Amino acid sequence: GAVVSQHPSWVICKSGTSVKIECRSLDFQATTMFWYRQFPKQSLMLMATSNEGSKATYEQGVEKDKFLINHASLTLSTLTVTSAHPEDSSFYICSARDFSQTSTDTQYFGPGTRLTVL
Amino acid sequence: AQSVAQPEDQVNVAEGNPLTVKCTYSVSGNPYLFWYVQYPNRGLQFLLKYITGDNLVKGSYGFEAEFNKSQTSFHLKKPSALVSDSALYLCAVSDTGGFKTIFGAGTRLFVKA
Repeated sequence: GAVVSQHPSWVICKSGTSVKIECRSLDFQATTMFWYRQFPKQSLMLMATSNEGSKATYEQGVEKDKFLINHASLTLSTLTVTSAHPEDSSFYICSARDFSQTSTDTQYFGPGTRLTVL
Repeated sequence: AQSVAQPEDQVNVAEGNPLTVKCTYSVSGNPYLFWYVQYPNRGLQFLLKYITGDNLVKGSYGFEAEFNKSQTSFHLKKPSALVSDSALYLCAVSDTGGFKTIFGAGTRLFVKA
């Protein structure tokens, strides 16, 4: 199946700094990627839909100025957590769909990035 | 808007016994339904999906799920649980066309030896 990677797999930063997380589709082109957030022992919460070449669509309650999303190419989307605070500590997971395939229902997930803000 | 409910936070099963993890959904149009499993500090692993066709869907690791349209349910089942099945199980639904996927709250499965 298709592979989605995330980098870094974990990051620790100081409060007030910004952190960038990359999501790459390795063997297919993804015009759309999705960013999720997961708190400990909880489910995934969809944060935003990242569209190549256009602005991301954010879910209700997600601060777009806090979580900057850039979908610079058909294989790369980045999530930047700006001025991070301890409450931003979470597990961030991206996913992508290969819309070139006739079956567009399968979503490929990255392995996740563990962010800890001190 | 679509939604997914997993009514049980936790399910406890003895090894060798059958297991069921419940999921109900709400979506306009025909649903795309999925089950994923997540081990600690790991990403999601795809188990199975229902798009159309037979109501009983067979997936990875011996899991299966039954789609019931009248009850809007998509329960996950396995005839004989293993200790290694202990994990977080997530039910998900996409609207017709499978664009945006919404996840249930998750059910933590504990299989005791």
